[in-house]
Amino acid sequence: AQSVTQLDSQVPVFEEAPVELRCNYSSSVSVYLFWYVQYPNQGLQLLLKYLSGSTLVESINGFEAEFNKSQTSFHLRKPSVHISDTAEYFCAVSNTDKLIFGTGTRLQVFP
Amino acid sequence: DAGITQSPRHKVTETGTPVTLRCHQTENHRYMYWYRQDPGHGLRLIHYSYGVKDTDKGEVSDGYSVSRSKTEDFLLTLESATSSQTSVYFCAISAKGGVLSNEQFFGPGTRLTVL
Repeated sequence: AQSVTQLDSQVPVFEEAPVELRCNYSSSVSVYLFWYVQYPNQGLQLLLKYLSGSTLVESINGFEAEFNKSQTSFHLRKPSVHISDTAEYFCAVSNTDKLIFGTGTRLQVFP
Repeated sequence: DAGITQSPRHKVTETGTPVTLRCHQTENHRYMYWYRQDPGHGLRLIHYSYGVKDTDKGEVSDGYSVSRSKTEDFLLTLESATSSQTSVYFCAISAKGGVLSNEQFFGPGTRLTVL
């Protein structure tokens, strides 16, 4: 069975500092991986996804994630965060008709 | 933004009462999903639908039922609400449920409190 582990439930960071949100998955088959972001009192929005091809994927707001098959990881990074990046981030792996979500990482950016 | 609405957005009810949550989409997507979100658990799938009248269970389906009589509406029913069903419920839609393009779009959520 597929599963997703987000190792950090909370990540506090100061504005303009770099950040990495960790995600590891387990799967016996080819995987397709996603990062979703949830701003306070809102639904989830797709941030980026890996389906195939280049292992480095980027979002429009400066986040990037790298698919690492040997380490079964899909960590999310940003070189310089903003206050507006404060949100909860969910990693997910696709399983036929369904997505399996991690438990989420709350990113708190301080001024 | 994908056209997904959920109603009601907030509801407070008492233990033992029936509750129905509605998800409505204007995208004509085939797949629809109901999740619940709880602290420390992330999102957990309750039920999903892969077409009109075609539904299947997720990982936390006990105590919930669903119906989909037309493409645009997916109803989640709690036959007899319990306090453990206090949660935020999200609906999601997807054009394709298959692995290659299983991007899901989420509604704004319904906050349900069972007293």
